[in-house]
Amino acid sequence: QKEVEQNSGPLSVPEGAIASLNCTYSDRVSQSFFWYRQYSGKSPELIMSIYSNGDKEDGRFTAQLNKASQYVSLLIRDSQPSDSATYLCAVTLIQGAQKLVFGQGTRLTINP
Amino acid sequence: SAVISQKPSRDICQRGTSLTIQCQVDSQVTMMFWYRQQPGQSLTLIATANQGSEATYESGFVIDKFPISRPNLTFSTLTVSNMSPEDSSIYLCSVEDPRSEGATDTQYFGPGTRLTVL
Repeated sequence: QKEVEQNSGPLSVPEGAIASLNCTYSDRVSQSFFWYRQYSGKSPELIMSIYSNGDKEDGRFTAQLNKASQYVSLLIRDSQPSDSATYLCAVTLIQGAQKLVFGQGTRLTINP
Repeated sequence: SAVISQKPSRDICQRGTSLTIQCQVDSQVTMMFWYRQQPGQSLTLIATANQGSEATYESGFVIDKFPISRPNLTFSTLTVSNMSPEDSSIYLCSVEDPRSEGATDTQYFGPGTRLTVL
């Protein structure tokens, strides 16, 4: 089992709809969870961080964390073509040496 | 968040040669990290570089191949030694910014160095 798993996509969503991105992780004691956006040819850009169970909202973005299910998601409301990118889920793993581990990323395309 | 720069932004190198990548931060940071992103893949941590101590390498990465320096709290270098085409990747440095809100383990990335080995 991979430490952090995402559906690689591609995920296609019509403009204005809600895009839902999902991520599961293996380390039960992980405490920190991040979503990064990466445009083609660019470096990852932090969008959201979440540390407690529940929802965290920032503009059109909502991160959801369920530690019991070892599941974290990112919702993008009112999707725009500029949201088209690869979204990387990252989790700080505690087992062994603490480090940030990335999922393989989900490629999202917003169709006008 | 911290402003991070990397040099060079890209390079094309011959196999068997070495390239040193520089990472500069606009503020003092304790933890700096080096990642590799192979074409179409996600990020893989190469090593963690703390000032004043030897870098800590992840499984599959060794100091002879990827020597790292961390001379002060704002600068680090990664050298890719004796390169082969399999080393063609994007190399990224990141830092944990103590000024970021939330937990102190939030990482911010530099713009990356795109390396092609012929």
